[in-house]
Amino acid sequence: DADVTQTPRNRITKTGKRIMLECSQTKGHDRMYWYRQDPGLGLRLIYYSFDVKDINKGEISDGYSVSRQAQAKFSLSLESAIPNQTALYFCATSGDRATDTQYFGPGTRLTVL
Amino acid sequence: GQSLEQPSEVTAVEGAIVQINCTYQTSGFYGLSWYQQHDGGAPTFLSYNALDGLEETGRFSSFLSRSDSYGYLLLQELQMKDSASYFCAVYTGGFKTIFGAGTRLFVKA
Repeated sequence: DADVTQTPRNRITKTGKRIMLECSQTKGHDRMYWYRQDPGLGLRLIYYSFDVKDINKGEISDGYSVSRQAQAKFSLSLESAIPNQTALYFCATSGDRATDTQYFGPGTRLTVL
Repeated sequence: GQSLEQPSEVTAVEGAIVQINCTYQTSGFYGLSWYQQHDGGAPTFLSYNALDGLEETGRFSSFLSRSDSYGYLLLQELQMKDSASYFCAVYTGGFKTIFGAGTRLFVKA
């Protein structure tokens, strides 16, 4: 079984719709991250969390919100999706405070029409 | 600002050696990581350098020079399956890691 899972894997939606992407992990890691990936731009951090009570904005948090429901679950929401949020979204976890080595989920490909 | 620079594309032939460079400018530095991502896949961790020098793991090696804010990933005995994108990433110690834009490696037969 995969250590970091994401649902859904693919989603097509319309402008203005609310979307939730979910991430679960069985690695027992405290740190969880949400990134978006666009061609030529690498991975950009949206939000990160170091435990259930700790949520922090990344470099591109506008238009997104998150919820850390449990140590193992971290959800990303787009309250009102817009076309430029079309991207590949990755969840990642880290349990190593010395190196922050990250383990990524399989990704969610989101298309906003 | 904080930035990582790496070439956008590199092409090499099967069996050859290729070096992917990364220069960084960050407000803090704990270490430099490398990740591999195949098309349609997730990034996977390859290596981490906190101290100057070369770290070898099989066909892959990673180098760091903290004084030059520079590192590289060296891939030897290239195989077709090495065709992928490679990302350098700096752990700033500010509780986050900054990723470069990635280098797409094409391995030709």
